[in-house]
Amino acid sequence: QKEVEQDPGPLSVPEGAIVSLNCTYSNSAFQYFMWYRQYSRKGPELLMYTYSSGNKEDGRFTAQVDKSSKYISLFIRDSQPSDSATYLCAMGNQGGKLIFGQGTELSVKP
Amino acid sequence: GAGVSQSPRYKVAKRGQDVALRCDPISGHVSLFWYQQALGQGPEFLTYFQNEAQLDKSGLPSDRFFAERPEGSVSTLKIQRTQQEDSAVYLCASSLAVGGTGSPLHFGNGTRLTVT
Repeated sequence: QKEVEQDPGPLSVPEGAIVSLNCTYSNSAFQYFMWYRQYSRKGPELLMYTYSSGNKEDGRFTAQVDKSSKYISLFIRDSQPSDSATYLCAMGNQGGKLIFGQGTELSVKP
Repeated sequence: GAGVSQSPRYKVAKRGQDVALRCDPISGHVSLFWYQQALGQGPEFLTYFQNEAQLDKSGLPSDRFFAERPEGSVSTLKIQRTQQEDSAVYLCASSLAVGGTGSPLHFGNGTRLTVT
């Protein structure tokens, strides 16, 4: 079993829909939780960064962390075709390295 | 205001050849990471540098893989006697903080290695 599990999709939604992306993990030592977006043939770019449990909102994006359930989520409101990409969850602790999920491929149709 | 730069962007190697992949991190970034990303998968950790010191190489898949960062800036990932299973995108990331987790990782666009 992988340390971080993420449904690979693909996920296809109409423009304007609310998108929910999720990851589960097994290592209770993780303290930092991130979501990266990766366009085709590009490197991952950071979307959201959260320390410990709770919610964080940035524009159309909301990240949630539930450490008791070892579950993190990313919500995208009013999704746009430009949001079409692969979304990667990542997490780490003081040790330095990040552990990534498999990535969920999202397609937003106009 | 350059980001993380990786070269070459694409590399085709015949099985058994040695390859060297270069990473120029963001100026002043202390931490540098190498990741391997197979098609349809998330990045997998290979190795981590703090300045010139290689503090974690637990993700290197075999002794054919070697990384260095001799002056604490540019880093090179070398793969000897390449095999087909080495085909992947190799991503470099840098971070301002010691240990990497105090600030986000900034990724380059990767080197896509194809071994034929």
